[in-house]
Amino acid sequence: NAGVTQTPKFRILKIGQSMTLQCTQDMNHNYMYWYRQDPGMGLKLIYYSVGAGITDKGEVPNGYNVSRSTTEDFPLRLELAAPSQTSVYFCAAGTGVYEQYFGPGTRLTVT
Amino acid sequence: GESVGLHLPTLSVQEGDNSIINCAYSNSASDYFIWYKQESGKGPQFIIDIRSNMDKRQGQRVTVLLNKTVKHLSLQIAATQPGDSAVYFCAENLAGGTSYGKLTFGQGTILTVHP
Repeated sequence: NAGVTQTPKFRILKIGQSMTLQCTQDMNHNYMYWYRQDPGMGLKLIYYSVGAGITDKGEVPNGYNVSRSTTEDFPLRLELAAPSQTSVYFCAAGTGVYEQYFGPGTRLTVT
Repeated sequence: GESVGLHLPTLSVQEGDNSIINCAYSNSASDYFIWYKQESGKGPQFIIDIRSNMDKRQGQRVTVLLNKTVKHLSLQIAATQPGDSAVYFCAENLAGGTSYGKLTFGQGTILTVHP
């Protein structure tokens, strides 16, 4: 039981490039979330999903897109990467608001 | 918008001492609060939670206190150990509706435990 896994662990992008951050969970939880964490700051919610086929915006959705075709996977898409998107990205899964389980994170640098 | 914030960004204690980490929240509609621990290079890890109909909840070596009158949350760690060194975040959830499952995180407090 791996919990929440994220790939890649590190990535450097050039301005304007695109990429997909992968997130997979094996806990069969309906709720999944994407957060970003800037240096010295708390986590900010980008997008979340309450089940396959259902997604909604969080606090900072601009510049990102998500999809949820299965319970297990919740990829985050960055289109036209900008330096402001340099951050650590965390995916989480849970049964609702109660106790979200976080992945190890993806450290992204946009230069 | 309303958010969760912390009084102290850093806290240094000696091994064996008790630690108290504070958090202020501004949204009186929040009905659920969580404390997370984040070690360097890792994702946040759940420590303890409390619902708004409670004042106190205890776990193993940790206690969370909720004072709704002054919108204040605290995490007490008993007999702090070097392994407790990490960043601690409080998070709140607004009650019901489309806010369900959407946590708002505070800035975090760095706890350093000296042996």
